[in-house]
Order: sequence, then C-alpha cells, then structure tokens
Amino acid sequence: ETGVTQSPTHLIKTRGQQVTLRCSSQSGHNTVSWYQQALGQGPQFIFQYYREEENGRGNFPPRFSGLQFPNYSSELNVNALELDDSALYLCASSPTGVVGANVLTFGAGSRLTVL
Amino acid sequence: GESVGLHLPTLSVQEGDNSIINCAYSNSASDYFIWYKQESGKGPQFIIDIRSNMDKRQGQRVTVLLNKTVKHLSLQIAATQPGDSAVYFCAETRPQGAQKLVFGQGTRLTINP
Repeated sequence: ETGVTQSPTHLIKTRGQQVTLRCSSQSGHNTVSWYQQALGQGPQFIFQYYREEENGRGNFPPRFSGLQFPNYSSELNVNALELDDSALYLCASSPTGVVGANVLTFGAGSRLTVL
Repeated sequence: GESVGLHLPTLSVQEGDNSIINCAYSNSASDYFIWYKQESGKGPQFIIDIRSNMDKRQGQRVTVLLNKTVKHLSLQIAATQPGDSAVYFCAETRPQGAQKLVFGQGTRLTINP
C-alpha cells in the first residue's frame, strides 16, 4: 500500500508567476486536503476535495484553487504568486465515511520558494 | 533533510528521561484533539488522539492529557529516545469539520545523548 505522494518536492518561482502542485492520495482514500505550512508555523488548512468538488475552505484567497480527478489525485494551483506564499504545501488524504482526523495521511510536502 | 521551523519553542531532554510538551488550544467548541510528530523533511505523522469527553488517554510510551477548563493539552513521552527528536504539533477540530485541522505552532523536541 503506497502512501501519499507529492510532486515536485522543491521548486522556485518568482512573484507573479503561477504554480501547480500535485498529490496522489493513498490507496483507498478518496478525500484530499491541502495545508500550507510557513517556516516555524503549524500547517494551515487551505481546502478539501471530495468527489471532485471543493468541500470546505480555509481563509485563503481565490487565487488558491484546486482540482480533484476521478482517480482521487489532486492539484493545488496558486496564481499571481506573492513572497508570502513561500511555504511547505502538504497534501493529506483520508477515506470517506470515517470520522476522525486520525485517518488523515500526510505526504512529505512540496517546498515552494517565491523570489 | 530540510528544517521544519527555525523559531519554534524548544525542549531539550536527556535520553531516557520523560518529556512533557504543552499546548493551549483556542476554540472551546473543539471536541477532538490530535498530536502529530513531524520529522525533518516529512509530513506530520499521527501519534495519539483524544476526544473531549475524556481527560486522559494512553498509548505506547505516550500519554495525552486534556484540561478543558483551561483549554490545555499535553503530550507526555516516556523514556525518550533519539528517534523522538522532531517537531510536535497539537491540532484541534470540531464535529462539523472532522477532517479540517487547526494546528498549534509546534514545539521542537531535542534529545541529548
């Protein structure tokens, strides 16, 4: 059974550019959540996807958007990058119908640096 | 591996000693709490959880204590080992957002040989 995989692991962009981060959920998991973790901080919830639709969103502007595909993999897109978007972006997957955050499985993250 | 955070509260303990990591949570409506461990270059890893109808829960070498009166959570690690070195986060959630976690700032635990 594979865990959550994210790509790329590291990338560097400049202000104003756009970025796409990818996540493959753990086998058997059909819900995907994205978190932003700034240096020295705890992760912050961006949004969650279930059945290819956004199912809950945190306090992030519309330039943060996402997709979920029929195979449950997901993308996080960020437009008009700002310096403060520099962070580790974490993807977490979970099986539907199971209550409790202890079923969340996190990937290792994609480290984005905006110059 | 990469550093998870540079300005986190830190706790240093001797190998074999017990560690206590504290966390204050913010929302009195939160009813489910989780402790995560994050090693350098990795995502958060589940350690132990507790629901608000309990005040203590034990796992293997770990114990979580919950004090709802003062909105305080603690993680006790017995007989700490070098592999326990990591950043530890508490997280809270509410019934409607069972999979939307609100994380604390984190504490970096360092084990001295």
